[in-house]
Amino acid sequence: DQQVKQNSPSLSVQEGRISILNCDYTNSMFDYFLWYKKYPAEGPTFLISISSIKDKNEDGRFTVFLNKSAKHLSLHIVPSQPGDSAVYFCAAEDGSSNTGKLIFGQGTTLQVKP
Amino acid sequence: EAGVAQSPRYKIIEKRQSVAFWCNPISGHATLYWYQQILGQGPKLLIQFQNNGVVDDSQLPKDRFSAERLKGVDSTLKIQPAKLEDSAVYLCASSPRRKGHALSYEQYFGPGTRLTVT
Repeated sequence: DQQVKQNSPSLSVQEGRISILNCDYTNSMFDYFLWYKKYPAEGPTFLISISSIKDKNEDGRFTVFLNKSAKHLSLHIVPSQPGDSAVYFCAAEDGSSNTGKLIFGQGTTLQVKP
Repeated sequence: EAGVAQSPRYKIIEKRQSVAFWCNPISGHATLYWYQQILGQGPKLLIQFQNNGVVDDSQLPKDRFSAERLKGVDSTLKIQPAKLEDSAVYLCASSPRRKGHALSYEQYFGPGTRLTVT
């Protein structure tokens, strides 16, 4: 039972263009969403988050959009840089449990070509 | 601020052998998590501690996996005996989050231990 899904295993974009990474979820009790970035041989690092009471959160080149009715969120990176090449994980927290437990998607590998 | 430390970084064992992983969280973080990440998948929570108490171990295979967090700081995760399907990266994370608090905190991950069971 995959409650958080990232249906695109990989994405390739040209430097300077926009990268859009997508994530779908099934559990309507999820109320907080996070994106993590992972380089090889390192642990995931927090990138950006959004609460379910918002539909957009922006931090520099990174913007996360949340569409609760569609149970869909996306991460936009503008402009994309070669250093953004990594695996990106979407994660969701079940607010009813109030434990901070995160459910992760399978990840999307982003390659930004110079 | 020092990050989450894990050791060893890599381990190769034969099936039916035992293995242990160690984690030192960020100083002052009450909550510690152990995740299993199988190749091509996202991290899956195995066990969550708040201080030295277990908050969630619903996905821990308790017949072979055990974990402890003595004194509410360092933690060890053990597998005994290991199976081929245990080959994965084991990630430790910590957070200042406490159960019952509405505010969410991100989790800080260590570099992981890559386990290969042959």
